Amino acid sequence: GENVEQHPSTLSVQEGDSAVIKCTYSDSASNYFPWYKQELGKGPQLIIDIRSNVGEKKDQRIAVTLNKTAKHFSLHITETQPEDSAVYFCAASRARGNEKLTFGTGTRLTIIP
Amino acid sequence: EAQVTQNPRYLITVTGKKLTVTCSQNMNHEYMSWYRQDPGLGLRQIYYSMNVEVTDKGDVPEGYKVSRKEKRNFPLILESPSPNQTSLYFCASKFRGVDTQYFGPGTRLTVL
Repeated sequence: GENVEQHPSTLSVQEGDSAVIKCTYSDSASNYFPWYKQELGKGPQLIIDIRSNVGEKKDQRIAVTLNKTAKHFSLHITETQPEDSAVYFCAASRARGNEKLTFGTGTRLTIIP
Repeated sequence: EAQVTQNPRYLITVTGKKLTVTCSQNMNHEYMSWYRQDPGLGLRQIYYSMNVEVTDKGDVPEGYKVSRKEKRNFPLILESPSPNQTSLYFCASKFRGVDTQYFGPGTRLTVL
């Protein structure tokens, strides 16, 4: 089955700096890669996603890049703000089959004011 | 408001006492799923359902049961809870064939 590895497990950055979280996946058939943000006491919320026919996607301060050959994808947050502090999860899935999301182990991001 | 709801949000129980965690969605989603979240392990799928009366095991199904008698509800049943089932549980739902999955607020379960 699919295996998703995520690094780092914790990340602290100064407010205004950029943060990068990286994930690798094992199943070459995976074609959907979402990123979820989990704030304290809440469920994961989708913040951005990318499909395997696209190399990069941006949404304001957030961007995701995908390298299919190397089987890795990354989340980039620019101009970080205190409200970006949360736990971030990457995931991977196939469009067909059981449509299951396989998650990484999470990154706790702390923005230092 | 479109949402996934879970009840209870917090539960402390004792070993062996049967319990049910309810999950309901109002988005007419066919696909529903249960995950557990443990420190350092991320979210792992317990069971999923492609539609009414169709359920299947995920990665960590041992000790859990589910049912899908109605489209909107997908309860998680622990027939005889054990301390290793102490965890944070999330229900999620989506349309079949559409990628975006929506999560509930979570249920924190402690089994003593």
